[in-house]
Amino acid sequence: AAGVIQSPRHLIKEKRETATLKCYPIPRHDTVYWYQQGPGQDPQFLISFYEKMQSDKGSIPDRFSAQQFSDYHSELNMSSLELGDSALYFCASSPRTWGPSGGTQYFGPGTRLLVL
Amino acid sequence: DQQVKQNSPSLSVQEGRISILNCDYTNSMFDYFLWYKKYPAEGPTFLISISSIKDKNEDGRFTVFLNKSAKHLSLHIVPSQPGDSAVYFCAARGQGGSEKLVFGKGTKLTVNP
Repeated sequence: AAGVIQSPRHLIKEKRETATLKCYPIPRHDTVYWYQQGPGQDPQFLISFYEKMQSDKGSIPDRFSAQQFSDYHSELNMSSLELGDSALYFCASSPRTWGPSGGTQYFGPGTRLLVL
Repeated sequence: DQQVKQNSPSLSVQEGRISILNCDYTNSMFDYFLWYKKYPAEGPTFLISISSIKDKNEDGRFTVFLNKSAKHLSLHIVPSQPGDSAVYFCAARGQGGSEKLVFGKGTKLTVNP
């Protein structure tokens, strides 16, 4: 079965540079989520999109922005990178299902960002 | 403030025995709970979920139990296999209508042959 695709898988940047992470959701999934996982930490929610509109926002720095495109893929743009931005960035997708039985998020393999 | 807590950072069991992973939460607004399995350098893999209107959900070797009054859920793996060795994350959804997942810190399960 098709899974969530993230690119690149690894990225090395210098401080103050910019980075763009891409996410391609599972076909027919219209909701995309971004999470950040620091070393030894649990994943922290950053932002989500449904039908190209921001649907929820978490602890995303102002230096970061994201969007979802008409083909449902999403990009996370990170500017003025800091050492503390080094982390695993996961994208997840889900079909839009309300109620108590839906909304399972399926995760991609992640992008490991290292800021030097 | 950790709203989803996995108090055991690690667990070791023998192959063929039962593995029980525990998770506690503090927010009664959560309406959906999930367990994910994660290998190093990979994304979390969905295992099993349970909605707040149920107290048990079973899928093969995996069973999740939810005790709403105690704000506690557990994942049972029977029988445990060496391939089950991984970090298991408990996650909750639904705080204030949000779809974001709130994760616990994870429990590293080691299944010894």
